[in-house]
Amino acid sequence: GNSVTQMEGPVTLSEEAFLTINCTYTATGYPSLFWYVQYPGEGLQLLLKATKADDKGSNKGFEATYRKETTSFHLEKGSVQVSDSAVYFCALHQNTDKLIFGTGTRLQVFP
Amino acid sequence: DAMVIQNPRYQVTQFGKPVTLSCSQTLNHNVMYWYQQKSSQAPKLLFHYYDKDFNNEADTPDNFQSRRPNTSFCFLDIRSPGLGDAAMYLCATSRAQRGGPDTQYFGPGTRLTVL
Repeated sequence: GNSVTQMEGPVTLSEEAFLTINCTYTATGYPSLFWYVQYPGEGLQLLLKATKADDKGSNKGFEATYRKETTSFHLEKGSVQVSDSAVYFCALHQNTDKLIFGTGTRLQVFP
Repeated sequence: DAMVIQNPRYQVTQFGKPVTLSCSQTLNHNVMYWYQQKSSQAPKLLFHYYDKDFNNEADTPDNFQSRRPNTSFCFLDIRSPGLGDAAMYLCATSRAQRGGPDTQYFGPGTRLTVL
């Protein structure tokens, strides 16, 4: 079945450091891929998405490229801020009404 | 702004006392979802409505029920809350066609405490 695997956290960085959160998926065909962010005590917010191979999703300085050859959708940001501290969920959606989530990665950014 | 609204944001109930959580949306989306999220875990889908069609997940306890009286509103009823039902409950919506993936938009969640 479809699944999403994320790197375990927490990821701890200093402000202005480069961020990578790895995400790989298992699916038949061509799923849509998403990154959601959850700030403390809040619901999930869509951060970015990509719907086909080689698409790059981007928002608020974050980027992720849909790589079908490596079945990956890694999240990157060139310079993180303290306000980026949150939990990040990778997810896929294919041919059903359901999202398949990864386990989430907590990011902690210190000044 | 079009959005997904959940009320209340915080709900406290007593063990065994029925509780209802509400969700409304101004997006006019035809699919509405309820998720349960426990601490440090990914959201777990409880059920969803595709228009008026109710779709229950196989492992959702009978204690959890839902109602969707119209397109805009959806309710989560917990008939006899147990301590293990304390969690964040997330509502989400999407505009979907059968076989076609679409983006889900989430509300801010209701944090349920069971005393």
